[in-house]
Amino acid sequence: DVKVTQSSRYLVKRTGEKVFLECVQDMDHENMFWYRQDPGLGLRLIYFSYDVKMKEKGDIPEGYSVSREKKERFSLILESASTNQTSMYLCASSAGRRKMRNQPQHFGDGTRLSIL
Amino acid sequence: QQQVKQSPQSLIVQKGGISIINCAYENTAFDYFPWYQQFPGKGPALLIAIRPDVSEKKEGRFTISFNKSAKQFSLHIMDSQPGDSATYFCAASTYGGATNKLIFGTGTLLAVQP
Repeated sequence: DVKVTQSSRYLVKRTGEKVFLECVQDMDHENMFWYRQDPGLGLRLIYFSYDVKMKEKGDIPEGYSVSREKKERFSLILESASTNQTSMYLCASSAGRRKMRNQPQHFGDGTRLSIL
Repeated sequence: QQQVKQSPQSLIVQKGGISIINCAYENTAFDYFPWYQQFPGKGPALLIAIRPDVSEKKEGRFTISFNKSAKQFSLHIMDSQPGDSATYFCAASTYGGATNKLIFGTGTLLAVQP
């Protein structure tokens, strides 16, 4: 079974702090994704990566950056946390296009981040 | 044009009844339509998916109906059970560049009453 592990289930930070959210997958997947989930808005894509050191902006990248130094690890960085970034953050991974189109995305259980 | 509109926002169904969740899209380039199921405290998990070359796909009690001309698709849960209580997300995928991206609907909170 694919396992996507997010380092923290709950995190409380202060405005202006630099925040790191970590995600690790154990299935040698090429693709990794970061979403935020808010009530009534569904899941919105922040950034994704299709290879080591490669990244692309999603639909709401402002205020965020990402890092992918190793294939199994994808980090989301809040450069200067603000209260409007309080949310549930979900990481996902999927196999790359070399295997088959439309591989399912496998999600971690999320990090609930509160910015005070 | 990139949106996927999902309804209803919440749904209460009696045990044994049929749950129906609807989604609509505008972008005709979407070519893959998955449904994800999310239990409280867990991440979403793929439930069932369909491509636009078929009008229906069934897996156990779960069926996707797809209407390409109307640009709509729906999830039907037959004989709904309390264990089906969860949040359901429809999604649509575009495939371009390095990988496929999913555009998610806003979610439906389903409660199946015993």
